[in-house]
Amino acid sequence: QVQLEQWGGGLLKPSETLSLTCGVYGGSFSGYFWSWIRQSPGKGLEWIGEINHTGFINYNPSLKSRVTISVDRSKDQFSLKLSSVTAADTAVYYCARGRITIYGVVIRGDYWSQGSLVTVSS
Amino acid sequence: QSVLTQPPSASGTPGQRVTISCSGSSSNIGNNIVNWYQHLPGTAPKLLIYTDNQRPSGVPDRFSGSKSDTSASLAISGLQSDDEADYYCAAWDDSLSGWVFGGGTKLTVL
Repeated sequence: QVQLEQWGGGLLKPSETLSLTCGVYGGSFSGYFWSWIRQSPGKGLEWIGEINHTGFINYNPSLKSRVTISVDRSKDQFSLKLSSVTAADTAVYYCARGRITIYGVVIRGDYWSQGSLVTVSS
Repeated sequence: QSVLTQPPSASGTPGQRVTISCSGSSSNIGNNIVNWYQHLPGTAPKLLIYTDNQRPSGVPDRFSGSKSDTSASLAISGLQSDDEADYYCAAWDDSLSGWVFGGGTKLTVL
């Protein structure tokens, strides 16, 4: 059974950099899409960005200037860095997997992590 | 404000059938697959429906999905108390080059 486990985050001060890492267990790392998603208090889900099986990275345009997604294939892990955080970045952050069907269709979010709360406060 | 539009809440009694709508545009639902997720706070969201109307293994056939033009729907029949959760639709958006979600629908089983 595929499991995504993430760590990092916690309590940050404004202007600091948020760092999260997601480890993939019980399944293959290569050949899949890997995404970060967040949910601010009382709001819906917001896609942050993803890295695909070819290494191509796509970011939410509204966050692109502050986001970096990277991957460490030797450890089956991928990471998120979000710079210059503000209170608006307070959210539960999730990592998720996307798989590609034989027809080339990407099924995003077939597995998710439980999420971790990141709070930005002075 | 979410790109995909869902009603904020829905409700039904045990055994009833409820439907949750998801409205989008030609750049997302109209041209790409729709997935539905079930989310209980504090837990990992769960893929409920993929590619508009397919159920992952283990998801009961009480859950079904459909799509027409730029709208999609999730139907839950034989409502159970365990179905109380937040439900989200999602699709890729070609114009935004991003994965977009609905605002979520909180389902209450009365």
